[in-house]
Amino acid sequence: DVKVTQSSRYLVKRTGEKVFLECVQDMDHENMFWYRQDPGLGLRLIYFSYDVKMKEKGDIPEGYSVSREKKERFSLILESASTNQTSMYLCASRLGLGYNEQFFGPGTRLTVL
Amino acid sequence: AQSVTQLDSQVPVFEEAPVELRCNYSSSVSVYLFWYVQYPNQGLQLLLKYLSGSTLVKGINGFEAEFNKSQTSFHLRKPSVHISDTAEYFCAVSEYGGATNKLIFGTGTLLAVQP
Repeated sequence: DVKVTQSSRYLVKRTGEKVFLECVQDMDHENMFWYRQDPGLGLRLIYFSYDVKMKEKGDIPEGYSVSREKKERFSLILESASTNQTSMYLCASRLGLGYNEQFFGPGTRLTVL
Repeated sequence: AQSVTQLDSQVPVFEEAPVELRCNYSSSVSVYLFWYVQYPNQGLQLLLKYLSGSTLVKGINGFEAEFNKSQTSFHLRKPSVHISDTAEYFCAVSEYGGATNKLIFGTGTLLAVQP
């Protein structure tokens, strides 16, 4: 079974802090994704990565950056957290571009005070 | 551009009753279609998917969905629900043969099963 893990289930940070959300997958998947989930808005794609050191903006990249130095790890960075970034963050991975199914981690609920 | 509409934000239903969760999509090209389920405090899990072939797709936990190209719909059904089916359900679409195969999600439907 594919396993996608996220470093924290719950996180509380203060406005202006730099925040790192970590995601690790154990199935040698090429593609990884970061989404944010908000009530009534569903899941919105922040960034995705085709492969190591490759990244592409999703639909709502403003205020976020990402890093993928190793194939199994994809980090989401909030350079200066703001209260409107309070949300549930979901990481997902996929075998490769020719595949469709994404496998999701349990999510990190981030609160910015 | 593709989009997905889940008109019902919440569907209350009694245990052992049938349920249908509606999903409509918009796309100028052929698509792949998915239903994901999110149980409380968990990530998303794939319920079923339509890639090609038979328009009636069976998934896990007794769920099935029917792809209707003329109505651009992919409604999810279960003939008899259980309390354990209480969860949020997301419909998603991916462009067939697209360069990135990104998933576009609907806003979700909360299925609330009551005893």
